[in-house]
Amino acid sequence: KQEVTQIPAALSVPEGENLVLNCSFTDSAIYNLQWFRQDPGKGLTSLLLIQSSQREQTSGRLNASLDKSSGRSTLYIAASQPGDSATYLCAVGGAGGFKTIFGAGTRLFVKA
Amino acid sequence: GAGVSQTPSNKVTEKGKYVELRCDPISGHTALYWYRQSLGQGPEFLIYFQGTGAADDSGLPNDRFFAVRPEGSVSTLKIQRTERGDSAVYLCASSEVNNGEQFFGPGTRLTVL
Repeated sequence: KQEVTQIPAALSVPEGENLVLNCSFTDSAIYNLQWFRQDPGKGLTSLLLIQSSQREQTSGRLNASLDKSSGRSTLYIAASQPGDSATYLCAVGGAGGFKTIFGAGTRLFVKA
Repeated sequence: GAGVSQTPSNKVTEKGKYVELRCDPISGHTALYWYRQSLGQGPEFLIYFQGTGAADDSGLPNDRFFAVRPEGSVSTLKIQRTERGDSAVYLCASSEVNNGEQFFGPGTRLTVL
């Protein structure tokens, strides 16, 4: 059974800092991994999708990496801003199946 | 273009009642997912549709929950004999292809009194 863990559960940093959010999963037979952000009381916004054959994806100040063999992904946020404050969720899509398993998220607060 | 929409945005009902939650996916998206999210948790998978058929319904918690997508577009999640433990935010997502990038709607907050 796939389990997804995100560390840390919460993080508070000053504006301008570079930071790394971690996601680990127990079953390496995945199809893809997607990072989302969720603002309080809102739905999820897709940030980056990494297919199982890829090692990383970049979008603006965001970079996500995937190491399937070790069951890990990281989301790197450069030069953090107060507007980055949100909960960040990683979601693992199962190979050969359709179930997507989410981690519990990392709550990020960027102080001005 | 229009994103995923869900109606209603909020639903308050009494224990034992029947509710229907609606999801309108992005036009042309063949894959549709339902999740539910409790406070402080990540979304929990309920069911996945590819076209009109439920390809994976292993996340539905029991037989009080049922979902349909009769024409391969709009989907309805139906909950019979609601219980207080069903209270959560119900999220819908769609993707262009199977296992593609998922785009989420704003969710329906269900409260069972």
